[in-house]
Amino acid sequence: GVTQSPTHLIKTRGQQVTLRCSSQSGHNTVSWYQQALGQGPQFIFQYYREEENGRGNFPPRFSGLQFPNDSSELNVNALELDDSALYLCASSPSISNSYNEQFFGPGTRLTVL
Amino acid sequence: GIQVEQSPPDLILQEGANSTLRCNFSDSVNNLQWFHQNPWGQLINLFYIPSGTKQNGRLSATTVATERYSLLYISSSQTTDSGVYFCAVELLGQGGSEKLVFGKGTKLTVNP
Repeated sequence: GVTQSPTHLIKTRGQQVTLRCSSQSGHNTVSWYQQALGQGPQFIFQYYREEENGRGNFPPRFSGLQFPNDSSELNVNALELDDSALYLCASSPSISNSYNEQFFGPGTRLTVL
Repeated sequence: GIQVEQSPPDLILQEGANSTLRCNFSDSVNNLQWFHQNPWGQLINLFYIPSGTKQNGRLSATTVATERYSLLYISSSQTTDSGVYFCAVELLGQGGSEKLVFGKGTKLTVNP
């Protein structure tokens, strides 16, 4: 399945953080979502073949990478208190398929103090 | 942008009861998924259902895409069914991206 690390993370305002995700075997599309407390997840961006191919309403200090082995990173610079949330990674087979169900990892809970 | 509304927001049941959760969406969508989020935050896939009806054990789902709604049925509920149920619609974006837009969820509590 999809794995994420670390499980929990505590940072202070202004710091930078890197979250990691390993896709499910055979999946080459990775998406990242932010879930604030009591809300549904919100789309940050999606990567396919190591390129960002879609972004939600998040500022440029949210950036990502996808590696040749389809693992991925989410980087957040200049952390703000509102960045405290559960960050979820999802992998799916391929955007070129008609069937493209997304499967989620367990998430990384980030707390910004 | 598209609106995804789930109802009811909260639901409390006694073990063994049946329930129906609803998801309305405001525009045409590429696809629809139902998830169960457990207390630890893990989103568990329940159904990938752009249209029609699917069943998996005590759970079933129906999507009527032309009328822009989907229903999730839970029969003979168990305490382990507790958690938040999310409906998410899939939209095609620029570059061929496929993003999920989630509703706010239905929080289900099943009491013994």
